[in-house]
Amino acid sequence: EPEVTQTPSHQVTQMGQEVILRCVPISNHLYFYWYRQILGQKVEFLVSFYNNEISEKSEIFDDQFSVERPDGSNFTLKIRSTKLEDSAMYFCASSGKGGRYEQYFGPGTRLTVT
Amino acid sequence: GEDVEQSLFLSVREGDSSVINCTYTDSSSTYLYWYKQEPGAGLQLLTYIFSNMDMKQDQRLTVLLNKKDKHLSLRIADTQTGDSAIYFCAEISLPGNTPLVFGKGTRLSVIA
Repeated sequence: EPEVTQTPSHQVTQMGQEVILRCVPISNHLYFYWYRQILGQKVEFLVSFYNNEISEKSEIFDDQFSVERPDGSNFTLKIRSTKLEDSAMYFCASSGKGGRYEQYFGPGTRLTVT
Repeated sequence: GEDVEQSLFLSVREGDSSVINCTYTDSSSTYLYWYKQEPGAGLQLLTYIFSNMDMKQDQRLTVLLNKKDKHLSLRIADTQTGDSAIYFCAEISLPGNTPLVFGKGTRLSVIA
């Protein structure tokens, strides 16, 4: 069964450093998303991406964040200068045109900023 | 803005039924979802219901939707220890590139 994959599973970085979180969505999906979950809190939407551009973003997704689909398979989230409060689990999700109401999530990347 | 609320904890005995409840505020919600998160794992889509339905059954899972009260529930029949997880309720207004809005999750503990 196709699934969303994410790498790395855990990333530790120092404050101020840049990080890139990687995702491989399900191959025939067209809509891509990043969410995050700070420990003990709700899963929060960051950004959605369709047709090679951002279609919606939340207040959390400020200028420090960017997304890219560099090739036909990867979808990345970059945080330019990490802050302590960026420590969270970051989930990638994707959905397809035919089943666009079904968002499938990857296993997440735990980002720890020290 | 939209909000989704759930109780935080539920404890049941193995073999009993579990009922996890959720309320939402967005009257334009079109799809309502249940996701399961096991320890250290991602979010697994369990089931969802379209807002013009009031019930959906899928093996041991039954979803009930009361649109008037904006109340969604997930019933798990014959709960097993493997059902221990956090269950998230989520809603979406328009399918496609509209984000899911999640509740805080209900931690289900199954006692053997």
